[in-house]
Amino acid sequence: GNSVTQMEGPVTLSEEAFLTINCTYTATGYPSLFWYVQYPGEGLQLLLKATKADDKGSNKGFEATYRKETTSFHLEKGSVQVSDSAVYFCALSERAGGTSYGKLTFGQGTILTVHP
Amino acid sequence: KAGVTQTPRYLIKTRGQQVTLSCSPISGHRSVSWYQQTPGQGLQFLFEYFSETQRNKGNFPGRFSGRQFSNSRSEMNVSTLELGDSALYLCASSLEGRGTGSNTEAFFGQGTRLTVV
Repeated sequence: GNSVTQMEGPVTLSEEAFLTINCTYTATGYPSLFWYVQYPGEGLQLLLKATKADDKGSNKGFEATYRKETTSFHLEKGSVQVSDSAVYFCALSERAGGTSYGKLTFGQGTILTVHP
Repeated sequence: KAGVTQTPRYLIKTRGQQVTLSCSPISGHRSVSWYQQTPGQGLQFLFEYFSETQRNKGNFPGRFSGRQFSNSRSEMNVSTLELGDSALYLCASSLEGRGTGSNTEAFFGQGTRLTVV
């Protein structure tokens, strides 16, 4: 079945540091890939997505590139802020025949804490 | 526009009881999915409803059930509650839940925190 593996956390950084959160996946076919963020006491918010190989998703300074050859979708940000402290989830949804299916398979989540 | 609304936000139930959680999707969204979030198992897919029909189901026992109404609002029910059912239950809605592009983008509610004692 499908699975998503994220780097183990928690990750603690100083403000303005570079962030990488690794994500690799196992899936049949060509899934769509997502990064979601969860702030304390909140639901999940879509951060960025990519639907095909070599696509780069970006939002709020975060970027991730869909790498089919390494089955990876690593999240990066050049300069983190205290407000980026949250839990980050990598996820995939199955695709078949060019159609994505709504069921999401999530990684275990990575807690990010950014200190001033 | 209003986001996904889940009610109640918090619930405390006793083992053996049953519980019903409610989800109102974003207006115009026809697909509603449910997820269980626990510290040990992370986020796990429960089921998806589209046009009042269950379209996809995760690996949960039959005690977990759901339904969707004609206005796309959805409820999930857990019968004979166990301590291990304590979790954050998240609902997500999307336009179609299936297809391409923004049709499948999922918007999550804030969740219902269920505690079973």
